[in-house]
Amino acid sequence: DTEVTQTPKHLVMGMTNKKSLKCEQHMGHRAMYWYKQKAKKPPELMFVYSYEKLSINESVPSRFSPECPNSSLLNLHLHALQPEDSALYLCASSHPPGTTTYEQYFGPGTRLTVT
Amino acid sequence: QQQVKQSPQSLIVQKGGISIINCAYENTAFDYFPWYQQFPGKGPALLIAIRPDVSEKKEGRFTISFNKSAKQFSLHIMDSQPGDSATYFCAARKTGTASKLTFGTGTRLQVTL
Repeated sequence: DTEVTQTPKHLVMGMTNKKSLKCEQHMGHRAMYWYKQKAKKPPELMFVYSYEKLSINESVPSRFSPECPNSSLLNLHLHALQPEDSALYLCASSHPPGTTTYEQYFGPGTRLTVT
Repeated sequence: QQQVKQSPQSLIVQKGGISIINCAYENTAFDYFPWYQQFPGKGPALLIAIRPDVSEKKEGRFTISFNKSAKQFSLHIMDSQPGDSATYFCAARKTGTASKLTFGTGTRLQVTL
């Protein structure tokens, strides 16, 4: 099973709202990722968690706050977003660095619209 | 600085034809090269991947050709079908990084009847 699940599928939020995106995987992966994808562009890496610890933050604004409660779950907390943050937010998982398998699997994404 | 260049930007192929998408890279520290297929509104799906010690890898109708000296790799889709119509991204991973992928800009493939 190579499934990464994400909820919700769609989210519309105002600029003063607080919301969270959720991601779950049961492949035993210990690295999890958040990406942002704009239309007709490749995914852009936002955060990487390795063994439940934040290992990469690609200079993402603080209005995005990631959290990894356990090895299967990844959250992205959103607060005071801007309309330009509207995008498809993708979660992915893989085995962590130091292993011999590199495959990274993506979830279906959450389509976020900020009004 | 874009580290993985992908071409063409878009491609139209007739059903049954061969679709070819090319990628080139500069950083010799890349050690893993996956291809992803993405349908509108969906997440990218891992299609096939190759490492630099192999010159070709085939899975069904999909083949990756890898030219280490030229720092190029390509995806060939044989007997292209309308269901293959999607956006394809090549990517590369640098040795020692936390599985950080550098993506190409994508190729929108349309397979016509």
